[in-house]
Amino acid sequence: DTEVTQTPKHLVMGMTNKKSLKCEQHMGHRAMYWYKQKAKKPPELMFVYSYEKLSINESVPSRFSPECPNSSLLNLHLHALQPEDSALYLCASSQDQGRPIYFGPGTRLTVT
Amino acid sequence: AQSVTQLGSHVSVSEGALVLLRCNYSSSVPPYLFWYVQYPNQGLQLLLKYTSAATLVKGINGFEAEFKKSETSFHLTKPSAHMSDAAEYFCAVSYSGGSNYKLTFGKGTLLTVNP
Repeated sequence: DTEVTQTPKHLVMGMTNKKSLKCEQHMGHRAMYWYKQKAKKPPELMFVYSYEKLSINESVPSRFSPECPNSSLLNLHLHALQPEDSALYLCASSQDQGRPIYFGPGTRLTVT
Repeated sequence: AQSVTQLGSHVSVSEGALVLLRCNYSSSVPPYLFWYVQYPNQGLQLLLKYTSAATLVKGINGFEAEFKKSETSFHLTKPSAHMSDAAEYFCAVSYSGGSNYKLTFGKGTLLTVNP
């Protein structure tokens, strides 16, 4: 089973809202990721958690706040977003570095 | 630094024809190489991976890729295209050094299949 699940599938939020994206995997993977993908572009890495600790933050604005409550769950808290933050947000996981990264279906976020 | 170049942002083939999507990598250490496919409004699905075992890698849906170190290439092929293969394809590279979990993607190639 190589499934990563994400909720919600779609999210529309205003610039003053606070919302959260959720991600879950039950493959026993020790690394989890958030990627952002704009239309017709490859995914861009935002954050990496390794063994539940934040190991990479790609200089993402503080209006995006990741959280890893346990080894199976990953959240992305959103606050005061801008319209240009509208994108597909992909969660992913992998067993270890160099191993394949498995992606979830994504959350389509629209900021109005 | 590692990088990936996908030649051709758009490839169009007829149904039943050979599919060839090109990927060249640049890495100062032995790379791990991957091909992903993305259907419209979906996440990325792993097609196949090269992790320093066999140089000819077979993946899902009849796709395969060959790692050629002398050419720094990892081209994706399928002998006979099907309409359902129409999608965006991404080549990606990571490497075994340090604690780097980063996956570097190419810009993607959109494959269209004509009836």
